[in-house]
Amino acid sequence: QSALTQPASVSGSPGQSITISCTGTSSDIGNYNYVSWYQQHPGKAPKLMIFDVTNRPSGVSNRFSGSKSGNTASLTISGLQAEDEADYYCNSYTTSFTWVFGGGTKLTVL
Amino acid sequence: QLQLQESGPGLVKPSETLSLTCTVSDGSISSSSYHWGWIRQPPGKGLEWIGNVYYTGSTYYNPSLKTRVSISMDASKNQFSLNLGSVTAADTAVYYCTKRVAGTSLRDNWGQGTLVTVSS
Repeated sequence: QSALTQPASVSGSPGQSITISCTGTSSDIGNYNYVSWYQQHPGKAPKLMIFDVTNRPSGVSNRFSGSKSGNTASLTISGLQAEDEADYYCNSYTTSFTWVFGGGTKLTVL
Repeated sequence: QLQLQESGPGLVKPSETLSLTCTVSDGSISSSSYHWGWIRQPPGKGLEWIGNVYYTGSTYYNPSLKTRVSISMDASKNQFSLNLGSVTAADTAVYYCTKRVAGTSLRDNWGQGTLVTVSS
């Protein structure tokens, strides 16, 4: 299975909005609404930010939102804050009953 | 609140088997509500899904690791385990155990992670 495709890096200024894309195929993102997004700060375990494309776990800021169109999922962070600077990973279920991650995107808050 | 804790050797020799255990606290590994799994992250690289086990014993593995990996459960100890055979330096990574709610992509519990280095 091939990794999902994410941009290597994105950046934005405090208060702005940014979107991270995650492109897969009809065998993963395009076939299921089982897409999730994780935030990872250096040296820490990943933290779930979005599950099932659009849902936020309890405790996650509503500045984080997810969407999907065809084979591409997106994570949008609005009102960017310094603490949002981290690596972000998308993850999807596949038609082979497996899970696949994106390569990760480094978010820099300018 | 349910917690996960990885344990096992931090150093494994090439060609040997990497064995890790995840202990589940404040939750039952026998619940039909969850899938238990392993994810790894090589130093400076991205996340890689290794595999899952369900309370029925059903397992699913990453195709790229399928010939070398096995995940099992021990309900009496409320633990699940990872075995990865014929390891090489490429298997050096932080290994995380995880819990995912069945029927969703809600993987909300992660262990703190344990670094396993493959070296002679």
